[in-house]
Amino acid sequence: SAVISQKPSRDICQRGTSLTIQCQVDSQVTMMFWYRQQPGQSLTLIATANQGSEATYESGFVIDKFPISRPNLTFSTLTVSNMSPEDSSIYLCSASGQQETQYFGPGTRLLVL
Amino acid sequence: QKEVEQDPGPLSVPEGAIVSLNCTYSNSAFQYFMWYRQYSRKGPELLMYTYSSGNKEDGRFTAQVDKSSKYISLFIRDSQPSDSATYLCATQGNFGNEKLTFGTGTRLTIIP
Repeated sequence: SAVISQKPSRDICQRGTSLTIQCQVDSQVTMMFWYRQQPGQSLTLIATANQGSEATYESGFVIDKFPISRPNLTFSTLTVSNMSPEDSSIYLCSASGQQETQYFGPGTRLLVL
Repeated sequence: QKEVEQDPGPLSVPEGAIVSLNCTYSNSAFQYFMWYRQYSRKGPELLMYTYSSGNKEDGRFTAQVDKSSKYISLFIRDSQPSDSATYLCATQGNFGNEKLTFGTGTRLTIIP
């Protein structure tokens, strides 16, 4: 199974600012995904990070708010832009190979004041 | 209606008891069914996955899927305090390259 790390593990930010979260996988993977986990709610997919092309966003999430990069097969970033308190959440990166299950990183806990 | 429904609990049982965790889903296109365990302040950890209907056993854990009733179960035998965590069911249409659709998670506490 892939080992996934995320940076930062947690942060406290002021409204109106932006935070970039990094996701590093210890091996090349086909798919990388970004999820949000809000208290008492399901994990919700934000977008699929595509290597070498624009990310594919789920309904309700837009590129201007959550720009994503994936420069290679082991690394991706998610930026939470122009933050508001409603963006306070846990952000999770996951990855999978072809025909494999998804493995998750430890998450980034974000609090926006 | 949510695509995957899961009782959020919390659920508390004594050590050694059999635990039954359940989910229902609405989309008949789902073919793969997963159970993840999430400890406090950690990411979800894959416990087991099954394809289509049937049972799968791994040690003290048994996953069961009934596609006719769209019902997913996880049984934990001889429960241990270390099993205390949030358990998330998830479904997927095509293995690996599709998003996972999660239930809300059930918080489980095993009382020593």
